[in-house]
Amino acid sequence: SQKIEQNSEALNIQEGKTATLTCNYTNYSPAYLQWYRQDPGRGPVFLLLIRENEKEKRKERLKVTFDTTLKQSLFHITASQPADSATYLCALDQSSFYNQGGKLIFGQGTELSVKP
Amino acid sequence: DGGITQSPKYLFRKEGQNVTLSCEQNLNHDAMYWYRQDPGQGLRLIYYSQIVNDFQKGDIAEGYSVSREKKESFPLTVTSAQKNPTAFYLCASTDGTGYTFGSGTRLTVV
Repeated sequence: SQKIEQNSEALNIQEGKTATLTCNYTNYSPAYLQWYRQDPGRGPVFLLLIRENEKEKRKERLKVTFDTTLKQSLFHITASQPADSATYLCALDQSSFYNQGGKLIFGQGTELSVKP
Repeated sequence: DGGITQSPKYLFRKEGQNVTLSCEQNLNHDAMYWYRQDPGQGLRLIYYSQIVNDFQKGDIAEGYSVSREKKESFPLTVTSAQKNPTAFYLCASTDGTGYTFGSGTRLTVV
């Protein structure tokens, strides 16, 4: 079955630096991959979706890459701020029902801490 | 504002009791999901529904039941058969461009 691996160790960086989080998967390449932000005691919030035929996607200070050869996605936050501190989850589809609402499986998340 | 409402925020269950978690959305999404989150673990899929009056088991459906009688509502019942129900439960919906999650229900067995 498909498995997702994210760095289990927390990532600590200084304000203003670029944070890079890694998501690796084990089996077939999904049709798309998503990234979410989760704050303690809250539900995840959708950030970005990247399709298998897209190598890179940007949204403001966020950038996601998707390498189907390496079976890896990288999530970058440039000019990081203390408000970016949260847990970031990677998710990919488990089915081909994209247009009907696919089934996502989630990684365990990487906790990011941005120090002033 | 459109979104997903989960209630209650906190729920306490006695041994042998069934409890029902509410999930309501006004986003007009067809697909809805229930996930369970335990400390240090990712979200695990319990049940999902892609259309009214239809639902499928996820990866950890044992001890849970759902219904989907209305597009807006997807309640989850945690039955007494679920031996380790203490967890954070999240409901979500999607139109295919990313999930919208509720704020979660924290269930504790007392």
